[in-house]
Amino acid sequence: EDQVTQSPEALRLQEGESSSLNCSYTVSGLRGLFWYRQDPGKGPEFLFTLYSAGEEKEKERLKATLTKKESFLHITAPKPEDSATYLCAGRQMDSNYQLIWGAGTKLIIKP
Amino acid sequence: GAGVSQSPRYKVAKRGQDVALRCDPISGHVSLFWYQQALGQGPEFLTYFQNEAQLDKSGLPSDRFFAERPEGSVSTLKIQRTQQEDSAVYLCASSEGAAQPQHFGDGTRLSIL
Repeated sequence: EDQVTQSPEALRLQEGESSSLNCSYTVSGLRGLFWYRQDPGKGPEFLFTLYSAGEEKEKERLKATLTKKESFLHITAPKPEDSATYLCAGRQMDSNYQLIWGAGTKLIIKP
Repeated sequence: GAGVSQSPRYKVAKRGQDVALRCDPISGHVSLFWYQQALGQGPEFLTYFQNEAQLDKSGLPSDRFFAERPEGSVSTLKIQRTQQEDSAVYLCASSEGAAQPQHFGDGTRLSIL
């Protein structure tokens, strides 16, 4: 069964303390791995799409990487405003729109 | 530019009532999706439209759920004879094409008493 698993469920960091969030997937013939940020009471906000192993994308303090089995969202020197839930989703080979979603990692950055 | 707009933002209904949730997608976006999100979980797919055509409704939990997009723009998700288990956040997303990144509205939080 296609599945996306995120870890840890929650992560508390001090401001400036770099870390990584993990998204492991068992999606047959992955055709895109998506990262979103979700703030409380808001809808998910698109961050990145990765298509092939070895690909990396960056935006401000965030960098997403992809291997054949997992993706990482690296956060460098985070600030309190980076606090949010980070969701990843994989798209299956036999669908051009269906996404399999993880449950998210709740990131809290303390000042 | 304007993003995806959903209304109402909050809806409280008594069990057994019918509800209608509205989604205004980003102008020109062909693809429109409805999701259901439980607390602490990722979105769960409900249905997908390409223009006015509902191409996939495999995620709709029961025949009490109905969605439409008659003119290929605004969409409505209707839930008939609501049950307590329907309480959730309902998210709408649109994209330029099916394979493009989806852009979400802020959702409607539905509470069934």
